[in-house]
Amino acid sequence: AQTVTQSQPEMSVQEAETVTLSCTYDTSENNYYLFWYKQPPSRQMILVIRQEAYKQQNATENRFSVNFQKAAKSFSLKISDSQLGDTAMYFCAFKVLDNYGQNFVFGPGTRLSVLP
Amino acid sequence: ETGVTQTPRHLVMGMTNKKSLKCEQHLGHNAMYWYKQSAKKPLELMFVYNFKEQTENNSVPSRFSPECPNSSHLFLHLHTLQPEDSALYLCASSQVVSEYSNQPQHFGDGTRLSIL
Repeated sequence: AQTVTQSQPEMSVQEAETVTLSCTYDTSENNYYLFWYKQPPSRQMILVIRQEAYKQQNATENRFSVNFQKAAKSFSLKISDSQLGDTAMYFCAFKVLDNYGQNFVFGPGTRLSVLP
Repeated sequence: ETGVTQTPRHLVMGMTNKKSLKCEQHLGHNAMYWYKQSAKKPLELMFVYNFKEQTENNSVPSRFSPECPNSSHLFLHLHTLQPEDSALYLCASSQVVSEYSNQPQHFGDGTRLSIL
């Protein structure tokens, strides 16, 4: 069974500073994808960034980047120049490729507060 | 307009009531999902429909009954619910292109369900 662990239930960061959210996962699969989703107080889950397991290069999306360590099964999210609008729950998610299966597994989330 | 619309936004019902949650996606996706989000717990995948066919049912009690009449609409029929079923129910959709698809899920705003 696949599992996703986010060991930091809550974090805070000062505006304009950098913060890293941790995520580890457990799987015996070799082909899979990893995602970070953001859920602001408005509730809608929004995709932040995605990473293919077969790619060694870490994904980046503007202020968001990941540190993907496949051997360690680690997939941390770095937010640079934090903004007040980054305040949200952040979920790490894992998706295995399995004959068109779409089984997403989500971590428990990290609540990030950006402080003015 | 969001790509995935859920109605109602809030629902309060008694344990003996019958109600339905509705989800509609406007993204042309071919897979739809129901998730349950409880406080301090990971997102729980409940049901997955690929091409209108149910492919996942993660040991969900029979008091939850999904229906997918077409690739754009997904319902969750509720009857004889228990207080522990109070949660945020999220609908999501994605495009399944191939077994190597890395298309992320797009989420609706959720229905906040309270069981009295």
